[in-house]
Amino acid sequence: AQSVTQPDIHITVSEGASLELRCNYSYGATPYLFWYVQSPGQGLQLLLKYFSGDTLVQGIKGFEAEFKRSQSSFNLRKPSVHWSDAAEYFCAVGAGSGNTGKLIFGQGTTLQVKP
Amino acid sequence: DTGVSQDPRHKITKRGQNVTFRCDPISEHNRLYWYRQTLGQGPEFLTYFQNEAQLEKSRLLSDRFSAERPKGSFSTLEIQRTEQGDSAMYLCASSLGLNTGELFFGEGSRLTVL
Repeated sequence: AQSVTQPDIHITVSEGASLELRCNYSYGATPYLFWYVQSPGQGLQLLLKYFSGDTLVQGIKGFEAEFKRSQSSFNLRKPSVHWSDAAEYFCAVGAGSGNTGKLIFGQGTTLQVKP
Repeated sequence: DTGVSQDPRHKITKRGQNVTFRCDPISEHNRLYWYRQTLGQGPEFLTYFQNEAQLEKSRLLSDRFSAERPKGSFSTLEIQRTEQGDSAMYLCASSLGLNTGELFFGEGSRLTVL
């Protein structure tokens, strides 16, 4: 069965420091992978997605993620974190065949940014 | 604002009552999704529509839950005979169909069942 694991429930980084949020997935074929961000009182927003091709994908707000098939991972990175990045981050994999929009989400990682 | 809107934003009800949530997607989007999110968890897929056709329902969607999208525009999610376990955030999302991969989410409707 398809699944997504985000090992870190809560991460705290200092403003200006680099960030890496981990995501591991379980899927038989080439997955559709996504990272969404959820800020308090706001809807989930897509940061970036991977369907195929270049394994390093760029997203909005300076985020990037790298797809590593051998490790079944799709980790999210940002070189320098801003206080406004504090939010909850969800990794997701497209479920079923094709890209239907049916997603399986991880449990989420809450990012706290220290001044 | 032309994003996905959901109403009401918060509903408090007593166990056994029926509740209905409404979702208005982005106007040109033909796909509409319902997800449920409980505290400390990621969203879980419930169902989705392409235009007015409901194409898939999760096993999470018991017989007490029904979703409609009668004219392929707005959608409603009704929960009958609510239980305390139904307390959650109900999220609606829409998309432009295949291969965009991007769901646009509303802010959610929070249900509290007392």
